Amino acid sequence: EAQVTQNPRYLITVTGKKLTVTCSQNMNHEYMSWYRQDPGLGLRQIYYSMNVEVTDKGDVPEGYKVSRKEKRNFPLILESPSPNQTSLYFCASSAWSLGDETQYFGPGTRLLVL
Amino acid sequence: KQEVTQIPAALSVPEGENLVLNCSFTDSAIYNLQWFRQDPGKGLTSLLLIQSSQREQTSGRLNASLDKSSGRSTLYIAASQPGDSATYLCAAKTTTDSWGKLQFGAGTQVVVTP
Repeated sequence: EAQVTQNPRYLITVTGKKLTVTCSQNMNHEYMSWYRQDPGLGLRQIYYSMNVEVTDKGDVPEGYKVSRKEKRNFPLILESPSPNQTSLYFCASSAWSLGDETQYFGPGTRLLVL
Repeated sequence: KQEVTQIPAALSVPEGENLVLNCSFTDSAIYNLQWFRQDPGKGLTSLLLIQSSQREQTSGRLNASLDKSSGRSTLYIAASQPGDSATYLCAAKTTTDSWGKLQFGAGTQVVVTP
């Protein structure tokens, strides 16, 4: 089954404790992206990757890091989480090089930073 | 920077009525525009993707139109059903922006009453 998976689905942590949210897709997509969703603000793009070792900032990259060492994985790293990073996070992927840029989303990771 | 707006933020209709959802964008240099559905606590599911060269796309009871000159896209859902209750989001990819960037509207929350 074609899918995007994220782990963990729920996470409670404390300020300053480094964490990683994993994202994996099994569709051989070149493009992957991270978003955060906050009430009243909609989805905002954090980082995206056009292919392995190619990443770029979205609209709200501050406080986040990403890496793309393999095509299927695109982890989101919070080196020193703060309460304002409490949010619902989504990973997405698409096959941009084939002309069909339909985005496929993961189920989301709900993060609470105390 | 592209800005995407969806008005109204919420909408309630009786079952059987046609739904009309609006999406406005400020930069007409659209590469493509995508409509998504989001159920509570879930990820986003792509409904329709319209390329800049297309005027509309159809899938079953869904029809999405794109008018770049007026900065609008409209999603029509014919003969609404209670199962259509969800939040609908549009997202625009713009040729004047970085290739991987996607701008989302805040969404319209739809309730279809039996």
